[in-house]
Amino acid sequence: EVVLTQSPATLSLSPGERATLSCRASQSVSSYLAWYQQKPGQAPRLLIYDASNRATGIPARFSGSGSGTDFTLTISSLEPEDFAVYYCQQRYNWPPAFGPGTKVDIK
Amino acid sequence: EVQLVEAGGGLVQPGGSLRLSCTASGFTFSSYEMNWVRQAPGKGLEWVSYISSSGRTIYYAGSVRGRFTISRDNAKNSLYLQMNSLRAEDTALYYCARDGLRGFTGYYYMDVWGKGTTVTVSS
Repeated sequence: EVVLTQSPATLSLSPGERATLSCRASQSVSSYLAWYQQKPGQAPRLLIYDASNRATGIPARFSGSGSGTDFTLTISSLEPEDFAVYYCQQRYNWPPAFGPGTKVDIK
Repeated sequence: EVQLVEAGGGLVQPGGSLRLSCTASGFTFSSYEMNWVRQAPGKGLEWVSYISSSGRTIYYAGSVRGRFTISRDNAKNSLYLQMNSLRAEDTALYYCARDGLRGFTGYYYMDVWGKGTTVTVSS
């Protein structure tokens, strides 16, 4: 069973700053990794799939990279609506585990 | 509009049962694999169960295997989660999610989510 860890747990930044979120898998998941954004009181929203591809309608300031065990979600310049919790999820094998999340809050 | 609407949550005593439903609209439900994902209060996301489009392939998280049963009725555009022997740790917001985005790798990702239905297990 693949275990995902995310760091940091909380990232305190100001609007306009660059956010770099990390997700590490306990074993290789190739490129079968997604990133989701969740705002308070809302369902998760798919941002990135296959590690580096933006889902439909996702702004270009969101980018994903990595393969194997180490992955990164980058938000190039934080907008006010980007302050949220971000989860990674692997789809390489069962169960399709989620990471514990990184909260991006306003500094 | 593509939409998933969950229902059936509520307050139940430990050891009790509950049946959740998820009604799909705006897309051909029978063509899509589906999942249940839950989120305990103040906690992260936990995948619970998966069912293929035909219903023939099913997977469960270890924490619910043997107690929960996923099913679907494609004629009714509906997904279900029968939850038995409920425990306090099953208290959560339960989402249904569509495996609708096919990656270049051939794997699918959860691209449509409902708003969730709340299950509270307490005496």
